[in-house]
Amino acid sequence: DARVTQTPRHKVTEMGQEVTMRCQPILGHNTVFWYRQTMMQGLELLAYFRNRAPLDDSGMPKDRFSAEMPDATLATLKIQPSEPRDSAVYFCASGHYNEQFFGPGTRLTVL
Amino acid sequence: TQLLEQSPQFLSIQEGENLTVYCNSSSVFSSLQWYRQEPGEGPVLLVTVVTGGEVKKLKRLTFQFGDARKDSSLHITAAQTGDTGLYLCAGANSGTYKYIFGTGTRLKVLA
Repeated sequence: DARVTQTPRHKVTEMGQEVTMRCQPILGHNTVFWYRQTMMQGLELLAYFRNRAPLDDSGMPKDRFSAEMPDATLATLKIQPSEPRDSAVYFCASGHYNEQFFGPGTRLTVL
Repeated sequence: TQLLEQSPQFLSIQEGENLTVYCNSSSVFSSLQWYRQEPGEGPVLLVTVVTGGEVKKLKRLTFQFGDARKDSSLHITAAQTGDTGLYLCAGANSGTYKYIFGTGTRLKVLA
């Protein structure tokens, strides 16, 4: 049963620290998305990749967020420095054509 | 900016009742998806509709895409407690995999 995996599942950190979230997309999927979900803003697209190339990162605060796909089996989302307003659940999703399969998310709390 | 408004925001009903959830926008979308999300998990894709006026059925769930492709509805017949969750619609434009998510409808089905 192929699934998107994300690590860590939970992260508590202090303001100013660097946070790295990892995602393993489903093998064979050529599109990878990063989303952020909060009660106030709902589910927002931060960035997405196709065939490992970044296609759109307009939803991401560029000064502190960065997203990469070093290889086809790993996508990373990094926040440096983190701020309390970054507290949210971060989802990775992979897919092809019209389908997206979401991972279980990383719940980030920045104190 | 394209927005997807969902209504109602919250819905609490008894098992066996029918319900309809709406997803509205002032923008045209080339495709629209519906997801269900349970606590602590990522959204799970239920259906994709691409043609104006299209109706799709998934067991007790009926999805409709508006003729003008600006709105959609999800109707559940004889709701069950297992239908409880957050229902999200998401729209995309042709040539892009960038889905914009709606504000969500939180459904609770009581036994």
